[in-house]
Amino acid sequence: AQSVTQPDARVTVSEGASLQLRCKYSYSGTPYLFWYVQYPRQGLQLLLKYYSGDPVVQGVNGFEAEFIKSNSSFHLRKASVHWSDSAVYFCAVSPQGGSNAKLTFGKGTKLSVKS
Amino acid sequence: AQTIHQWPVAEIKAVGSPLSLGCTIKGKSSPNLYWYWQATGGTLQQLFYSITVGQVESVVQLNLSASRPKDDQFILSTEKLLLSHSGFYLCAWSLGGSSAETLYFGSGTRLTVL
Repeated sequence: AQSVTQPDARVTVSEGASLQLRCKYSYSGTPYLFWYVQYPRQGLQLLLKYYSGDPVVQGVNGFEAEFIKSNSSFHLRKASVHWSDSAVYFCAVSPQGGSNAKLTFGKGTKLSVKS
Repeated sequence: AQTIHQWPVAEIKAVGSPLSLGCTIKGKSSPNLYWYWQATGGTLQQLFYSITVGQVESVVQLNLSASRPKDDQFILSTEKLLLSHSGFYLCAWSLGGSSAETLYFGSGTRLTVL
């Protein structure tokens, strides 16, 4: 079975600063990896996903993530955050194969951006 | 464009009372449909998924049931609510056919059981 660990429940950064949100996964094979964002009182939206090829994937709004298989990590980065990036960010893993998008989510990291 | 609508937006219910939550997807035929549950301050757990009308697979046993009476509709229900059912319920759809598919979530229903 797969699992996801997001070690930081809360992160606070200043507007314009760089950001890294950490994610480590546990899965015996090569998984599909996702980052979703949840704005207050809303559902989740996909930021980016990795399923093969270049380990650095670009997402929406300037976000990117790097898949490092040797470290079982998929950290999310952004060069310069904006106040509107304040939200909860979820890392998720899905096993390859099958017709069910059986995502396993981490507990999420709440990002607060100070202006 | 595809849209996903969940109802109601919020519910406050008594322990032991029945519950029915709904989800409708427009603009996409034969999507895969999912119910997720998010406990307060917790992560999301997949509860059910359906790849076709009339077929629903249970992923986690939480004394809940789900049905897909139409291609574009997914219903979550129980006859007797427990305190532990409180949380945020999210419906989602995907194109289907691969576990790499993006999930598209509705805005959710916040359920408080008293």
